[in-house]
Amino acid sequence: NAGVTQTPKFRILKIGQSMTLQCTQDMNHNYMYWYRQDPGMGLKLIYYSVGAGITDKGEVPNGYNVSRSTTEDFPLRLELAAPSQTSVYFCASSYSGGIYGYTFGSGTRLTVV
Amino acid sequence: AQKVTQAQTEISVVEKEDVTLDCVYETRDTTYYLFWYKQPPSGELVFLIRRNSFDEQNEISGRYSWNFQKSTSSFNFTITASQVVDSAVYFCALSEPMEYGNKLVFGAGTILRVKS
Repeated sequence: NAGVTQTPKFRILKIGQSMTLQCTQDMNHNYMYWYRQDPGMGLKLIYYSVGAGITDKGEVPNGYNVSRSTTEDFPLRLELAAPSQTSVYFCASSYSGGIYGYTFGSGTRLTVV
Repeated sequence: AQKVTQAQTEISVVEKEDVTLDCVYETRDTTYYLFWYKQPPSGELVFLIRRNSFDEQNEISGRYSWNFQKSTSSFNFTITASQVVDSAVYFCALSEPMEYGNKLVFGAGTILRVKS
């Protein structure tokens, strides 16, 4: 059972470039989330989804977009990368809407230079 | 909105010492869920425990124990006889209702360094 798979694991972007962080889960979870982790700040919610076709903003959505066309996939899009988006990004999924916690992916370390 | 405070930014102990990681939370909800996650140097986030607001029993799992006290809004985590492998960042988290489902609100984390 793969769980939550994130790709890539590392990426360096130049300012203004775009990229998509991929996230796939094979547990048939309806709920999926994107968090970013900055040193000393814990994890902040960027976007979440409660099922295919339904997404909503979290605490820090500016500069990001998401889509959810299937239950399995929840990609995160950065359109115009900025240094402030340098962070570690975690995708997570949950079958229970979060009350039993999340299963996290292994993370993507993104540096914008 | 919910808030989680982990006042200890970093703790260093020598192997075999006991160590307690503090977590204080704020919520207006009567039903909520608390969590601890471990982030070892490899970077993944590992689930340790979940506690709901109606269950104040302390829990022990091997060298790990958790003390949940609603009266002080605290959910502290103790490692007994610490080992080098316990070195990690530990996050406390609290559920917060959203329009659909819940999200987890995380504290800033406590870096635990266990020296041999």
